Formats: sequence, structure tokens, C-alpha cells
Amino acid sequence: GAVVSQHPSRVICKSGTSVKIECRSLDFQATTMFWYRQFPKKSLMLMATSNEGSKATYEQGVEKDKFLINHASLTLSTLTVTSAHPEDSSFYICSASDRGTKGYTFGSGTRLTVV
Amino acid sequence: DAKTTQPPSMDCAEGRAANLPCNHSTISGNEYVYWYRQIHSQGPQYIIHGLKNNETNEMASLIITEDRKSSTLILPHATLRDTAVYYCIVRVPNAGGTSYGKLTFGQGTILTVHP
Repeated sequence: GAVVSQHPSRVICKSGTSVKIECRSLDFQATTMFWYRQFPKKSLMLMATSNEGSKATYEQGVEKDKFLINHASLTLSTLTVTSAHPEDSSFYICSASDRGTKGYTFGSGTRLTVV
Repeated sequence: DAKTTQPPSMDCAEGRAANLPCNHSTISGNEYVYWYRQIHSQGPQYIIHGLKNNETNEMASLIITEDRKSSTLILPHATLRDTAVYYCIVRVPNAGGTSYGKLTFGQGTILTVHP
């Protein structure tokens, strides 16, 4: 079945630094990928939709300059949290859709802690 | 977007069937019902989806009412590993050229399977 690999699984960074999270579709081409964040005991909140070769579409309230999304190929999307602050600490999850699969496949998530 | 309503929590005895309800009274004719689950600190896992007919796969069964305003996910023989948050999601029709729209998560149902 379709597999989405997300790295790193955990990252700790200092305030003010940037962190890049990678999301790869391993056995299918993902024309569209989605990025979510999840706070403890809360549901997933969609941050943005990225389409290969074009700019990402951000949900209302999500700062596009802070959360940079790049989807340069059909198998890779990256989320960069720029100038991270403690309030950016969260669980970030990517998802990919493929016309050949039955639905959406999610990565295993990245636990970001900003200290 | 069609909204979904799920009970916040449910309990089930190991080996018994778990029946998780979902209301989606504002669903439109071309929207699918998807079910995902999320085990603690992992990415969501696809379970099943359907449009109007009942569906069954190796994980679960999905029963959709004739008017499509509600559905029930059935785990026929729940195990302790089925303890998770279960999300019922209605797919947003995509306005672009790709086949799949974004998924919007509600609060889900915390299913606890006990011995």
C-alpha cells in the first residue's frame, strides 16, 4: 500500500532557529500533500495544502512566511518552521493524496519542541 | 463543508463489536464519508470510506444510512490495540483539477477497549 515517510520523528531546537520537516511518498506520486499540526489532546488542524510545482494554499490564520512549504517534486514536500518559538512546539503531520489510492496516507508525525 | 458529530468517548470490551456512530446531516451528494483512527503520538491511519453503499474491508465495516445523514463504523471484534481516537470525516469536494479535496478533522471519538 501507499506509504508516506516523515522525518524527523522528533526534533528539539532553540528559539529563533529554523527547522525543516520532510514528507516523502515512497511508492506513489503525490500531486497534493497536506500539512497539519496537533496540540496535546486536540484534533488535527489543517495548516496548508501543497501542490507539486505551485505555491501552497494556507488555511486562514496560518502565517505563510513562518511556515514555508515547498513541494518541488511529486514525492517530496517540506515544511520549514522559521524563527521557531516555544509556542510553535507541536505535533506536525503530513498527508498525501494519490489518484491511484483509496484515500489519504499520513506520515508518522514530527514532534517539535522549541526551547 | 459538511460537519460531523461524534460522541467524545466510548468504551468497549475486548472481543466485542465496537459500533462508533457519526452524524453528518449536512452532507452533500458528492461527498464521501471517511474514517480514520489515530493511536497516541502517531499519524492517522485510514480505515474505510464510502459514498452511499455499505462497505467492508479487513479492518471494519461502514454502514451508511439511506439518507446519508449518519453512519456507523463497526469493528467486529475489538482488541486492546484498537484503543485510539476515531475520526469520521466528510471529504470536501475539490474545486481544483485534482481528484481529492482536503480533509477536515473534528474532535473524534476516543475509543477505549478494556480487557
